[in-house]
Amino acid sequence: AQSVTQPDIHITVSEGASLELRCNYSYGATPYLFWYVQSPGQGLQLLLKYFSGDTLVQGIKGFEAEFKRSQSSFNLRKPSVHWSDAAEYFCAVGLWNNDMRFGAGTRLTVKP
Amino acid sequence: GAVVSQHPSRVICKSGTSVKIECRSLDFQATTMFWYRQFPKKSLMLMATSNEGSKATYEQGVEKDKFLINHASLTLSTLTVTSAHPEDSSFYICSANGLAGGEQYFGPGTRLTVT
Repeated sequence: AQSVTQPDIHITVSEGASLELRCNYSYGATPYLFWYVQSPGQGLQLLLKYFSGDTLVQGIKGFEAEFKRSQSSFNLRKPSVHWSDAAEYFCAVGLWNNDMRFGAGTRLTVKP
Repeated sequence: GAVVSQHPSRVICKSGTSVKIECRSLDFQATTMFWYRQFPKKSLMLMATSNEGSKATYEQGVEKDKFLINHASLTLSTLTVTSAHPEDSSFYICSANGLAGGEQYFGPGTRLTVT
């Protein structure tokens, strides 16, 4: 069955510290991979996406993600977290022109 | 480019009434539009997929007679919640694929509260 797993429901990091949010997927084929961020009461903002090619993807706001086929993972990273990064982060997978499946989300809290 | 709007952003309606939510692709034509529902502090759940000019495909467990979806043009899809009940209160988000497929572009969401 197709699924997306974000193992961490809530993560707290100190401002300036590095961040890694985990995402694993189970799909019949290599899907397209996305990371979105959502602030409270707001819609989704695309951080980055992977379709093919270089497995290290750069996104907006200093985020990057690495696709590892052998581990079926697409973890999101940021070297230095800012207080404004506090939000909910969703990993999503999809097939071309098809619906997307979202992970349960990881809530990021940033300590001063 | 690739902007999707939703209207209204917030709506409050009485139990038993119907409410329509619009989803528009502003600067591109969308062959496929998707409707998601998000419960508080939860992830997005796909409700249905609609292709312009054809009937929507609903996910298992989603009542098609309650959540009416119309995709009459390449830039507009509507979701009508019929005979709304308090348990229908939620955040509804639409998205759209461009003509080339691939990435979905998300609207800002509509907060529905049924009293």
